[in-house]
Amino acid sequence: DTEVTQTPKHLVMGMTNKKSLKCEQHMGHRAMYWYKQKAKKPPELMFVYSYEKLSINESVPSRFSPECPNSSLLNLHLHALQPEDSALYLCASSQVYGTSGYNEQFFGPGTRLTVL
Amino acid sequence: SQQGEEDPQALSIQEGENATMNCSYKTSINNLQWYRQNSGRGLVHLILIRSNEREKHSGRLRVTLDTSKKSSSLLITASRAADTASYFCATDAYNTDKLIFGTGTRLQVFP
Repeated sequence: DTEVTQTPKHLVMGMTNKKSLKCEQHMGHRAMYWYKQKAKKPPELMFVYSYEKLSINESVPSRFSPECPNSSLLNLHLHALQPEDSALYLCASSQVYGTSGYNEQFFGPGTRLTVL
Repeated sequence: SQQGEEDPQALSIQEGENATMNCSYKTSINNLQWYRQNSGRGLVHLILIRSNEREKHSGRLRVTLDTSKKSSSLLITASRAADTASYFCATDAYNTDKLIFGTGTRLQVFP
């Protein structure tokens, strides 16, 4: 199984709502990532988890809260978002993180988030 | 910003023609990767070239890397309508696996 799955595919939420994005992989990868992508722009890294521990937080606002319950699952909890947070949120995984050269990443299809 | 730049920003060609995209980056790297993204979907890894390699092939793809010029090119030969997508280069800055994506090239292949 070389697939990264993400749910939901689409999400519309108000600025006072709390919602969560989910990501799952069964490739035995020990590194998982969240990216944010605006239209016609490249993906921007938000968070990196390595062996279920948060390794990198790219100065993401606290209204985004990541969680890695186990090596296969990655969540992104959303609260009090702003309209400018509307974007495609991509999850990715790789075998490991930090080995300088073995970082082919496998991406999920993304969650299209709209904040009203 | 470490972000790489790609050119052209957009490219339109006919089926059967070759497509060449270029990527320039700013820092020393361990490797450079190319990804494809169909409209509004996830990225698909195409090819990885290490900093000590100069050229790599995979099917209809040919990637070159010139570390002295901090640049790479992706050539897609005999293009097909199904190659229509955005193509991103991604580099990992030296001593980190954090990927920095280039600005992307939008390729349109007309049947």
